[in-house]
Amino acid sequence: SQQGEEDPQALSIQEGENATMNCSYKTSINNLQWYRQNSGRGLVHLILIRSNEREKHSGRLRVTLDTSKKSSSLLITASRAADTASYFCATDITQGGSEKLVFGKGTKLTVNP
Amino acid sequence: GAVVSQHPSRVICKSGTSVKIECRSLDFQATTMFWYRQFPKQSLMLMATSNEGSKATYEQGVEKDKFLINHASLTLSTLTVTSAHPEDSSFYICSARDWGTNTGELFFGEGSRLTVL
Repeated sequence: SQQGEEDPQALSIQEGENATMNCSYKTSINNLQWYRQNSGRGLVHLILIRSNEREKHSGRLRVTLDTSKKSSSLLITASRAADTASYFCATDITQGGSEKLVFGKGTKLTVNP
Repeated sequence: GAVVSQHPSRVICKSGTSVKIECRSLDFQATTMFWYRQFPKQSLMLMATSNEGSKATYEQGVEKDKFLINHASLTLSTLTVTSAHPEDSSFYICSARDWGTNTGELFFGEGSRLTVL
């Protein structure tokens, strides 16, 4: 079963606005990662935040992690039309002695020019 | 950065035939690779973990005899969809873990789109 649940499922904003996507998960994690996927394409790794970290920045991206609430958020500031894509959170978990990455359902972001 | 290559990127086959998809880590050795399946407008579902030199570990509900996984070398894992049916049509994505990085970062292939007629 899927570990992460993103909300909203879809988000439409204007260029220049900020976009915030949230992710909740159920079990203990090793780390949490955010990925981007353009339609019909492979995944692009955006950022990884470890379980002992609370916030991380990378360019226009800001990720927070609250392990007590089992939730994370991805903020994209000053959005651009090129940011239009689906965004997935993925939790790196250890299950049955092996480490695996489990994806959430994703948020489809549309940035209107 | 590390690169994972998938081949073919697109394949169309007739119902009942078998299709093999390759996943290669180009500049690092990957003892573990993962196979995901993605239906249109949905998320990635982990199908199995491919372990070099041993049997793959399948997720619950994934048919082992239907989706054959072979991890014959440290840089190559293959997924064979046997006796394909139209419902097997999907986007298949592999990833490989590079333990050369501090966090064992995962790198993803570009995906293979399978269409079964």
